[in-house]
Amino acid sequence: DTAVSQTPKYLVTQMGNDKSIKCEQNLGHDTMYWYKQDSKKFLKIMFSYNNKELIINETVPNRFSPKSPDKAHLNLHINSLELGDSAVYFCATSGRAKNIQYFGAGTRLSVL
Amino acid sequence: GESVGLHLPTLSVQEGDNSIINCAYSNSASDYFIWYKQESGKGPQFIIDIRSNMDKRQGQRVTVLLNKTVKHLSLQIAATQPGDSAVYFCAEKNSGGYQKVTFGTGTKLQVIP
Repeated sequence: DTAVSQTPKYLVTQMGNDKSIKCEQNLGHDTMYWYKQDSKKFLKIMFSYNNKELIINETVPNRFSPKSPDKAHLNLHINSLELGDSAVYFCATSGRAKNIQYFGAGTRLSVL
Repeated sequence: GESVGLHLPTLSVQEGDNSIINCAYSNSASDYFIWYKQESGKGPQFIIDIRSNMDKRQGQRVTVLLNKTVKHLSLQIAATQPGDSAVYFCAEKNSGGYQKVTFGTGTKLQVIP
């Protein structure tokens, strides 16, 4: 049973489209994150939710909108996709120890 | 601003040898320094961390050293195995606010059989 699961694993789409990535965790953690990893493997935090409340919102275009319907889910919706959005997006969770994060397997987004 | 960076982007090591992966950081307010391992096609996985008031911590085959004087962090892997081949990230957690974790640029470790 996967602790942090993301869907889809791969997403290929055209510029200008709108797409969503879903994340679910069964660890009972209060905090969930979205990270973006570029082609050089640089991993940058985008958003963090704690108990469904947005607590970290880095400098991310407002085309990206996270939504947390409950503690176990954090989805990422992206409007008007651009070429530069192509990357691997990771969902992660943490309990009280914020330094120990559990990552999903990633969603590889390719914008054509 | 804060930054966490690595000296070597790629490290090749013979199987059985020890590996040392280095990292420089600049944010003195961090309370934890962390190492993550990312295997191909997978998400990063926590390996070991060290509190800012410590200078050494050992795990199973891994040791993390923290030198606050020169703001340097290292990960030592003993008897490197093919399964250790991965990208290793150092990261730091800030002590205040929302305790954000900032990741460094990553070092690719290649183990030569």
